[in-house]
Order: sequence, then structure tokens, then C-alpha cells
Amino acid sequence: KAGVTQTPRYLIKTRGQQVTLSCSPISGHRSVSWYQQTPGQGLQFLFEYFSETQRNKGNFPGRFSGRQFSNSRSEMNVSTLELGDSALYLCASGQGAIDYGYTFGSGTRLTVV
Amino acid sequence: QKEVEQDPGPLSVPEGAIVSLNCTYSNSAFQYFMWYRQYSRKGPELLMYTYSSGNKEDGRFTAQVDKSSKYISLFIRDSQPSDSATYLCAMSPASGGSYIPTFGRGTSLIVHP
Repeated sequence: KAGVTQTPRYLIKTRGQQVTLSCSPISGHRSVSWYQQTPGQGLQFLFEYFSETQRNKGNFPGRFSGRQFSNSRSEMNVSTLELGDSALYLCASGQGAIDYGYTFGSGTRLTVV
Repeated sequence: QKEVEQDPGPLSVPEGAIVSLNCTYSNSAFQYFMWYRQYSRKGPELLMYTYSSGNKEDGRFTAQVDKSSKYISLFIRDSQPSDSATYLCAMSPASGGSYIPTFGRGTSLIVHP
């Protein structure tokens, strides 16, 4: 059974640019969540999509956005990149309930220079 | 003060030792308590979860929740070098079918031969 696939694994962008990250969840999973992980703040929740609808949103500025397609694949976009956006971005897929847990991908390491 | 506090370590122990990892929290609404393990350059993977108070055992791992003290623990018996990783606690309120865990920053564990 394939796991959660995130692409690309590594990215280097310049301040002010925008970036799109992709996540393919486990087959059959309808929930996709995105997290930002940094050494200083740990794992911080960005947003969750369930059946193409944003169901929950964390406390991040509007520069961070996402969407989910009918096949449950999800993309996350960050516009007007700032140095502080450098982080590991993790996608997690699930069946939408705590009992089934989350499965995380290996993440996309974004470096903003 | 963050909702979930976790000592980042590192915690260094010899092989075979009993390891105790802990988190404290401030939100009384938390009902689900989880432990994730994250190896370097990988996403977190769910180790165990418990609902409300009590203990749960899975092989060498035991999770303990003390809601009166807002304190949770993960014990690892007979620790192995392969247990070297970052351990993150996570907590969530019980809220219908949608839940968003709040993560601790993680404790880095090093088990040396």
C-alpha cells in the first residue's frame, strides 16, 4: 500500500517568489492536513481539507493557501515568500477521525533565500 | 505559554535503559493523547494513542495519561539504538468527526550502544 507522497522533496526559492507543494494521500483517505515544522515552533497546523472542502484552518496569514482535488490530492501554495517561511512542510492523510490516526509524508524542505 | 510543553532534550541513554518522555498541557478540553516518532528526514509516524486517562501498553511502549495533573508520559522499556528519534506528543479535543491535534515540539532521544 503506497504511503503519502509529497513532491518535491527539496526546494530553494527566493524571497518574494511563490511556491506550490503537492501531496498525494493514501488511497481511500479523504482528509489531508498540512503542517509547518520548524525547530523553534515545532509542528504547526496550517489547514485541513476533507472531500475538497477546507474544514479547519490554523493561524497563518492569507499568503498560505491550499486546495484539494476530487481525487483527494492536495496542493499548498505560499505567495510572497519570506525568509521565515523556510521550514519542513508536512502533509498528513487520514480517514477524517482520530481513531484512524494520521499518516504523514516525508515532507518538502523549503528554503527561502 | 504554549498549550503543549515538551522538553526538546536531547535525552541520551544507554541501550537497555528505560526511557521516560513527558508532556504537560494546559487545555482541559484535550481528550485524545498521541505519541508520534519522527526519524531524521522522515515524517512523524503514529506510535500510540489513548483516550482520556489511564495506561496503554504496546510491546515495549507504555503510554500514560494523568488528566488531573495535565501530564502524559511515554515509557520505552529495553531501549534500542533503533529507538533513536524525535518523539512528539500530540493532543486533541474530542469533537465529532473532525479533530486537529496540537503537537509538542518533540524530544530528541539518543540510545547509544
